[in-house]
Amino acid sequence: GAGVSQSPSNKVTEKGKDVELRCDPISGHTALYWYRQSLGQGLEFLIYFQGNSAPDKSGLPSDRFSAERTGGSVSTLTIQRTQQEDSAVYLCASSKRTGVPLGGKLFFGEGSRLTVL
Amino acid sequence: DQQVKQNSPSLSVQEGRISILNCDYTNSMFDYFLWYKKYPAEGPTFLISISSIKDKNEDGRFTVFLNKSAKHLSLHIVPSQPGDSAVYFCAASDGNQGGKLIFGQGTELSVKP
Repeated sequence: GAGVSQSPSNKVTEKGKDVELRCDPISGHTALYWYRQSLGQGLEFLIYFQGNSAPDKSGLPSDRFSAERTGGSVSTLTIQRTQQEDSAVYLCASSKRTGVPLGGKLFFGEGSRLTVL
Repeated sequence: DQQVKQNSPSLSVQEGRISILNCDYTNSMFDYFLWYKKYPAEGPTFLISISSIKDKNEDGRFTVFLNKSAKHLSLHIVPSQPGDSAVYFCAASDGNQGGKLIFGQGTELSVKP
C-alpha cells in the first residue's frame, strides 16, 4: 500500500488477556517505530527497529510488552496480560532512511486504539 | 524525564492572525527537530523540520525558529487558517542514538473564523 497500515484499528479486550497489534510499513522503509498515545498525553516512544541492527527497546514500559519485525518488513507489538493502564492509541511509523539526518521524517499509520476493560 | 516539553496544552487564535507554538528541550545532544500535525483519528503527519546548524527554516505559511542557547524552538503559522486547527507535536532527535524521535505532549491549536 501507499501508506503505513495498522490493524486492528480498534481492539477491546479484557484485563489479563494478550493482544497483538500489527504494522505494515511503507515498502522499502528501513526504520520502523512504535509509539503510544494515552488519553491527554503526548506520543510516548516504545521501540525502534533500524534495518538489521538490534532494536532500541528502551521505551517499552514493562516486560509484558514485546515487538518483532519479521523479514525487515511487518512488525507485531504484543502486550501480554493487559492492564487497564495499557489503554491507548498505539501508533506505528516508518522512515525511509536511517542515515543523516538521523531521525528523518516519519510516516505514521492511523493507529490501533486499544481499550482494556 | 520529559526531554521535550510543550508547556501550552492549547492555543486559540483568530483566523488571519499569527499562531506561535513553543517547545523546549533539555538534551543538548539533540541535533534535529521536527513538527508534526495531528487531526483526530488520524496519525501525525510531518510538517516542517530544522537541523541544529540552522536557526530558521521556512515553508510557505510555516516557519520554525531554533534557539540552541535557550534550548527552545517555535513554530509560527501566518496567516492562520481554520484548517490549521489540530494538535501540533514537537519532536527531537539525537543523531548518536539512531533515529529515535522524542515527542512533546502536543499543543492543540484552534483557529476561529
